Amino acid sequence: DAGITQSPRHKVTETGTPVTLRCHQTENHRYMYWYRQDPGHGLRLIHYSYGVKDTDKGEVSDGYSVSRSKTEDFLLTLESATSSQTSVYFCAISGPGPSGANVLTFGAGSRLTVL
Amino acid sequence: GQNIDQPTEMTATEGAIVQINCTYQTSGFNGLFWYQQHAGEAPTFLSYNVLDGLEEKGRFSSFLSRSKGYSYLLLKELQMKDSASYLCAYRQGGKLIFGQGTELSVKP
Repeated sequence: DAGITQSPRHKVTETGTPVTLRCHQTENHRYMYWYRQDPGHGLRLIHYSYGVKDTDKGEVSDGYSVSRSKTEDFLLTLESATSSQTSVYFCAISGPGPSGANVLTFGAGSRLTVL
Repeated sequence: GQNIDQPTEMTATEGAIVQINCTYQTSGFNGLFWYQQHAGEAPTFLSYNVLDGLEEKGRFSSFLSRSKGYSYLLLKELQMKDSASYLCAYRQGGKLIFGQGTELSVKP
């Protein structure tokens, strides 16, 4: 298994509260990603990082911020959670796969419910 | 929005062959990926195409035509365990952009 873990795996919170999801890797890969997955929308990119302190926005970045203070950790923060942010969040790392191409390896996912 | 499209659902019979199509529009194309995702699990890598043509890997093959913005995933000798969602995605720079996924149901 590629060394990628997400925490927490499940969280229920209330509207307006801050939430932080953590992604931790042991592969020393440069690129890390946060996606959300919702029925009918597939995987949508929230933010990604291409190195320590280097991040960029994805397709659905509004309401989310990220931080990467060290190679192994990529944090996703919802400053004030809303019900529309109820989703399954996947972290991914990019590393060499078969045929030499860089492929994404996903964490197990974090299911967030905002009441 | 995402410029990548694939059918929402498909149904096929055990032992048969099924083709899942994916069309995309993008500049700066750097490759086309297919992932498999079983219900309640994370997506896992299936195949990658960066040049035109067919890549075969056991029961699964993937095809790419860059000029047409078109790819397909071909699954042969379908098994019940192949029931899953199949996601196509294109690489654009450092990002991977996914389609909404095709839910494949394999019936006995």
